Amino acid sequence: DVKVTQSSRYLVKRTGEKVFLECVQDMDHENMFWYRQDPGLGLRLIYFSYDVKMKEKGDIPEGYSVSREKKERFSLILESASTNQTSMYLCASSPPPLAGEKNEQFFGPGTRLTVL
Amino acid sequence: KQEVTQIPAALSVPEGENLVLNCSFTDSAIYNLQWFRQDPGKGLTSLLLIQSSQREQTSGRLNASLDKSSGRSTLYIAASQPGDSATYLCAPLGAGGTSYGKLTFGQGTILTVHP
Repeated sequence: DVKVTQSSRYLVKRTGEKVFLECVQDMDHENMFWYRQDPGLGLRLIYFSYDVKMKEKGDIPEGYSVSREKKERFSLILESASTNQTSMYLCASSPPPLAGEKNEQFFGPGTRLTVL
Repeated sequence: KQEVTQIPAALSVPEGENLVLNCSFTDSAIYNLQWFRQDPGKGLTSLLLIQSSQREQTSGRLNASLDKSSGRSTLYIAASQPGDSATYLCAPLGAGGTSYGKLTFGQGTILTVHP
């Protein structure tokens, strides 16, 4: 069974703290993604990666950075957490987008982050 | 930029009814379209994926159709059950422009099936 795991289901941090959210996939996928989900705003893409050590900004990268040192692991970093980063964070992985291929994206269980 | 709209935003039905959830998207340059289910406070579960060359895909009581040229997809749920209660999201995978390689999500349809 395919699997995307996230390091924490719930996390509470204080304003100004550095926060690391970890995501691991066991499907040997090239692509990995970080989203945040907020009521009324839906899912928004923060960053994604097409390969090891490669990253691309999504729609809302401000206040975040990412790291991909190994193919199976993609980390989201909040350099200095703020209350407006309180949200549900979802990680996903997929094969590269190729015509005629399935290109299915799989999601982890999510991390509910609260910044006080 | 791809935009995705899902109608209705919410739906409440008695058990046993057949349902249709609608999804429309503005850019037809897509590789595929995925339908997901999300339970409260949980991640997304992939239900069906229709490739751009396909018209339909079925899994159990679920059937999804795709009309790429008109930018529409529907998810049909037969004989609904209380366990089907969840938020349903559609997401096309972009094949060009700024949406290349990325899923764009609709706001979802919140489905409640009551006994």
